[in-house]
Amino acid sequence: DTGVSQDPRHKITKRGQNVTFRCDPISEHNRLYWYRQTLGQGPEFLTYFQNEAQLEKSRLLSDRFSAERPKGSFSTLEIQRTEQGDSAMYLCASNGGANYGYTFGSGTRLTVV
Amino acid sequence: QKEVEQNSGPLSVPEGAIASLNCTYSDRGSQSFFWYRQYSGKSPELIMSIYSNGDKEDGRFTAQLNKASQYVSLLIRDSQPSDSATYLCAVNGNNDMRFGAGTRLTVKP
Repeated sequence: DTGVSQDPRHKITKRGQNVTFRCDPISEHNRLYWYRQTLGQGPEFLTYFQNEAQLEKSRLLSDRFSAERPKGSFSTLEIQRTEQGDSAMYLCASNGGANYGYTFGSGTRLTVV
Repeated sequence: QKEVEQNSGPLSVPEGAIASLNCTYSDRGSQSFFWYRQYSGKSPELIMSIYSNGDKEDGRFTAQLNKASQYVSLLIRDSQPSDSATYLCAVNGNNDMRFGAGTRLTVKP
C-alpha cells in the first residue's frame, strides 16, 4: 500500500488551456474525494465518488470541471478553459467508509498564468 | 455562519507548554470529528478522530468533543517545535467532510 498518489505535483498552464490531474487512491478504499485548497483556507469539497459512481458535486464545480473514476480505481479531474481563479492546490483523498478519516495525496499545485 | 469555525491564529506557545486548539461546528447531525495537521506546502495528515462525547487521548494529543455545545478541541501536551503547523478541524457531512480554515500553531524553542 503506497498511499494516495497524485500526478502531476505541479502544473503551470496558460489561461484558456485544459488540464487533467490523476489520483490513485489506496486500493482498499472505495470512496474518493477531490478538494481544492487556496492559501490560508481549509480544503473545499469538489466532488465524491463511491466506487465508479459520482455521488455528489459541489456548487463550486462549474461546467468547466469534470471528474471521472472509471472502474472504481483511479480518478481524473479535468479543468477546461482554465482561469486565473483556478490556481490552487487540488487535493485527492480516499477512505473506506463514511465515518472514517481521509488519507490525502500530496496534491497537485496548479498555477494559471 | 461557516459550517466549521476555527480561530485562525497564529497561536504561539513555548516549547514544552500545552497548546489548545478550538473548533465549533454548525450541523448538529454530525457524527464524526477529525483533526488534521498540515505543514506548510504539504497536504493534510490525519492525527485524531473522535466520535463520542468526552476525551480521547493518543500520545501527546487529546481530542475533546462536546456535542451539546457543538465544540471540538485538540490539546497538544509537551509541545515541540516540530508541532509547528496549521491544524485543521473537520466534521463529516452527508457525503463529505467539511473543514475549518485552520489554526496556525508556532512552538518556540
